[in-house]
This record gives sequence, structure tokens and C-alpha cells, in this order.
Amino acid sequence: AQKVTQAQTEISVVEKEDVTLDCVYETRDTTYYLFWYKQPPSGELVFLIRRNSFDEQNEISGRYSWNFQKSTSSFNFTITASQVVDSAVYFCALSEPYSGAGSYQLTFGKGTKLSVIP
Amino acid sequence: EAQVTQNPRYLITVTGKKLTVTCSQNMNHEYMSWYRQDPGLGLRQIYYSMNVEVTDKGDVPEGYKVSRKEKRNFPLILESPSPNQTSLYFCASSSQGGRNEQFFGPGTRLTVL
Repeated sequence: AQKVTQAQTEISVVEKEDVTLDCVYETRDTTYYLFWYKQPPSGELVFLIRRNSFDEQNEISGRYSWNFQKSTSSFNFTITASQVVDSAVYFCALSEPYSGAGSYQLTFGKGTKLSVIP
Repeated sequence: EAQVTQNPRYLITVTGKKLTVTCSQNMNHEYMSWYRQDPGLGLRQIYYSMNVEVTDKGDVPEGYKVSRKEKRNFPLILESPSPNQTSLYFCASSSQGGRNEQFFGPGTRLTVL
């Protein structure tokens, strides 16, 4: 079973529409961290947000918002009023304890390709 | 400027010819890692390092080696590359043992013929 599932492989929206990217994760640990990264067509990976497992407060940053729900093991990402510049592949990732030596292993979802059409 | 650098950015090689992809960071991060990105598979961790001389396998370590002799450098070594190692490789670094955001290098596109 995948530890991080991004069920939407590709999404297309028309500019100014709202869009939500889903992320479901699986872990047995009580302490873990969740991330979203953006990979624009130029290829670099850009950090968007980090959330620890004890902080379920939703976050808003401009047109971006994140909804973290431990009850459903989900960490969804919403872009409001999408723009062409939002076109990218978005990755959700889970960092959880590994090997008991204080290390954390990061697992990425397979990504969702978002295309915003003008 | 805080950054992670990788070299080379592009490499075409032949099966069996040993190669090294270098990675260096200037943020004094203790945690560094290597990922490969393949279409439809996302990013998969190859190896990571918690600190100097401390390395561990990620999800797809077969065919790769790493070393961490200095805090800033974390080279990825392919002793005998094969075509299935054709991929886009990213190096990353992070503070707090991987619990914080990863800073990624620009990527190395490797083609093994």
C-alpha cells in the first residue's frame, strides 16, 4: 500500500476556477510531518508548506490553503482563483520516524499535474 | 545564497561506466538525501544521510552507493550504471533530521545507453 496517495494524476481547470488537490497518507506514528512541494515546468522543486501531526490548524497563504484532517489522514491543498502560473506538478510528502535512530524518512506521493487553461 | 548544487546537470553515459554525481550544500544541514524521479512514480528516495559518516538506504538503493565524508557533500555513485537507472536525480538537504523542509538541488538528468 502506498504511504502517500495522490489519487488525481492530472487535473485541468480554467483560469480563475478553484481547485483542490487531494492527499491521503498512511502512518502508524503519532509524530510525523506533512509537506507540499511544487514542481513547475522548469523542473525545480519548490517547498510550499510543512505541517506537523500535532497541528491540525488549517493554513491560508494568499490563494493557497491547506486542510489537514487526522481523522481521515488527509492533507488537501486548495488553490483559489487559479492562474496559469499555478500550472505545475504538485507533490504531497510524509516524513515519519525510521529505524528508531532519530532519523526520518520522507515519502512522496506520485504527484498531481495541474494544468490551468487561460 | 543558500543553495544545493549538483553536477553535472546533464549526463549521457554507457552501461557499466562508473559515474559520480556530486551534491553540495552551504546551509550546514546535517541531513542530506538523494531521490530519483520517474514518470508516474513521483520521487523515490535512494539514500539519505543523517550526518557525517551516517548513511542509510531509502526505498530504491539497489545499484547506488553514497558517502558522507564531509557535512556539505553527499555524492551519489553508480558503480556500473544500467539503462534502468536513466532518470532525473535530485539531491536535497534539510535541518532537523528530515523533519523540516527539504532544499532541493536543480536536478541531474542521467541517460544510460
